[in-house]
Amino acid sequence: DVKVTQSSRYLVKRTGEKVFLECVQDMDHENMFWYRQDPGLGLRLIYFSYDVKMKEKGDIPEGYSVSREKKERFSLILESASTNQTSMYLCASSLRYSEAFFGQGTRLTVV
Amino acid sequence: GENVEQHPSTLSVQEGDSAVIKCTYSDSASNYFPWYKQELGKGPQLIIDIRSNVGEKKDQRIAVTLNKTAKHFSLHITETQPEDSAVYFCAASSPLYGNKLVFGAGTILRVKS
Repeated sequence: DVKVTQSSRYLVKRTGEKVFLECVQDMDHENMFWYRQDPGLGLRLIYFSYDVKMKEKGDIPEGYSVSREKKERFSLILESASTNQTSMYLCASSLRYSEAFFGQGTRLTVV
Repeated sequence: GENVEQHPSTLSVQEGDSAVIKCTYSDSASNYFPWYKQELGKGPQLIIDIRSNVGEKKDQRIAVTLNKTAKHFSLHITETQPEDSAVYFCAASSPLYGNKLVFGAGTILRVKS
């Protein structure tokens, strides 16, 4: 079974902190994604990566950056956390033209 | 870019009845349409998907239909059971935009027993 693992289920951070969300997949997938999930808004794409060291902005990249140094790992970075970044964050991976597999999500609260 | 609209936002049905969720998409080049189910406290899981060269696909109690001309696709769940209660998301992807998935806003399905 494909496994996508996010490092934390729940996270509480202070405004202005630098926050790292880590995601690891074990199926050698080329594509990896970071989504943000808010009630009534569905899943909105923050960034995605189709290869090591490659990244592309999604629909809401402002305030975020990403890193993909190894194929299996995709990190989301909040450079200076703000309260409007309180949300559920979902990582996913996929083969190039196939279904996406999601992690269990990280619920981030910024206080 | 692609835009996906999903209706209804909430749906309540009696156990044993059918449920239908509808989505429309904007990019005529989109060619992959998955449906995901998200249970409380979990990430979304794929339940069925369809590609643009097929009009309908069925898997036991779940079916998806695609109308490329009208640019809409629907999820049909028959003989609903309480364990079908969850949030359902449709999505679309286009080769013009790197095959990234664009999701609808989600439908909360409640099956009453």
